[in-house]
Amino acid sequence: NAGVMQNPRHLVRRRGQEARLRCSPMKGHSHVYWYRQLPEEGLKFMVYLQKENIIDESGMPKERFSAEFPKEGPSILRIQQVVRGDSAAYFCASSRGLSGNTIYFGEGSWLTVV
Amino acid sequence: DQQVKQNSPSLSVQEGRISILNCDYTNSMFDYFLWYKKYPAEGPTFLISISSIKDKNEDGRFTVFLNKSAKHLSLHIVPSQPGDSAVYFCAASAQQGAQKLVFGQGTRLTINP
Repeated sequence: NAGVMQNPRHLVRRRGQEARLRCSPMKGHSHVYWYRQLPEEGLKFMVYLQKENIIDESGMPKERFSAEFPKEGPSILRIQQVVRGDSAAYFCASSRGLSGNTIYFGEGSWLTVV
Repeated sequence: DQQVKQNSPSLSVQEGRISILNCDYTNSMFDYFLWYKKYPAEGPTFLISISSIKDKNEDGRFTVFLNKSAKHLSLHIVPSQPGDSAVYFCAASAQQGAQKLVFGQGTRLTINP
């Protein structure tokens, strides 16, 4: 886990508000992934980004969710108009490259929608 | 459609004995498999991986076995230690690498002293 930094660790939002989760990859890593874990379930892939590019967003809900990884700064997962069903742990991971590389996870951001 | 299944939600093993965690998959396109360990309120920690061109990979106390014909993999931990108590997830990828992993539901391993 060491090196992938996520913040905030815990976030409480009222229904209808926006949630922004940030992720700084490990040093030297240019690939970022976001996963979501609902209670009592495994992690589910959401999106895969490289600097300034979304490579695969097949796991992202069609509405309200967006992700970016700008040239400078952390990757951001943005959830607009949150609903109770968005309450989950959101994990960011990073890797150096593609084939054969292991991805390393951050400690997660726990979103609670009240 | 659960493509990666861990059918045992929990497993209890005596300290010093072997722990065997199992995982089945349905997608024959999966070619790269990983095991992660997770403590409560923390992110998953990578343990060991295996490519579909191999049937065994070993790293210290951890060995992963892959049976492609049965679409089954297992993680062996020997000897088991109290610090191994955690939730273990297997994950699979169809892209010859670790991007876009499909995770199982996890197995909670408890090591008893």
